Amino acid sequence: GNSVTQMEGPVTLSEEAFLTINCTYTATGYPSLFWYVQYPGEGLQLLLKATKADDKGSNKGFEATYRKETTSFHLEKGSVQVSDSAVYFCALTTNTGNQFYFGTGTSLTVIP
Amino acid sequence: DAMVIQNPRYQVTQFGKPVTLSCSQTLNHNVMYWYQQKSSQAPKLLFHYYDKDFNNEADTPDNFQSRRPNTSFCFLDIRSPGLGDTAMYLCATSRDRGAVVETQYFGPGTRLLVL
Repeated sequence: GNSVTQMEGPVTLSEEAFLTINCTYTATGYPSLFWYVQYPGEGLQLLLKATKADDKGSNKGFEATYRKETTSFHLEKGSVQVSDSAVYFCALTTNTGNQFYFGTGTSLTVIP
Repeated sequence: DAMVIQNPRYQVTQFGKPVTLSCSQTLNHNVMYWYQQKSSQAPKLLFHYYDKDFNNEADTPDNFQSRRPNTSFCFLDIRSPGLGDTAMYLCATSRDRGAVVETQYFGPGTRLLVL
């Protein structure tokens, strides 16, 4: 079946620290992978995506590379800011349907 | 510039009192989805519409219903809310579905509290 596993949170970092949030997946078919971000009290916003192996998605200083050999899509940012404090969801969908499978989310708090 | 709009943003209802949540979109997308997200959990798909074709998830309770009167609007009806239905309800859209992988675009959500 299809599923996404994210590293457990919460994660607390100091401003300008390096961020990694791990995401691994299992999928039938050929998945596309996504990172969504949810700020407090708001809905999900698409952060970045990758639709095939070795693709790198990037946005707002965040990056994630689709690694088929390790079934991973880890989110990274070189220098986090207080405004990056949010919950980050890894998700996948496949070309066999339009169901999105979300991980449980990782809460990030960045302190000044 | 809002693309997926949800109303109201916050809703308080009493146990057993029907409630309707609204979603509208300016993207002219064919597919509209409703998700339930409980505190500190991942969003859970309730159902989706592909054009006028309704697709229910197998484990969605009968208490939850949906209507899509036109391309732009979709409603979530909870016929008899229970305390366990307290959650954030997220509406999302995608241009299409099926063989082509489509990004889903989410609204800001409606936070429902059942007392």
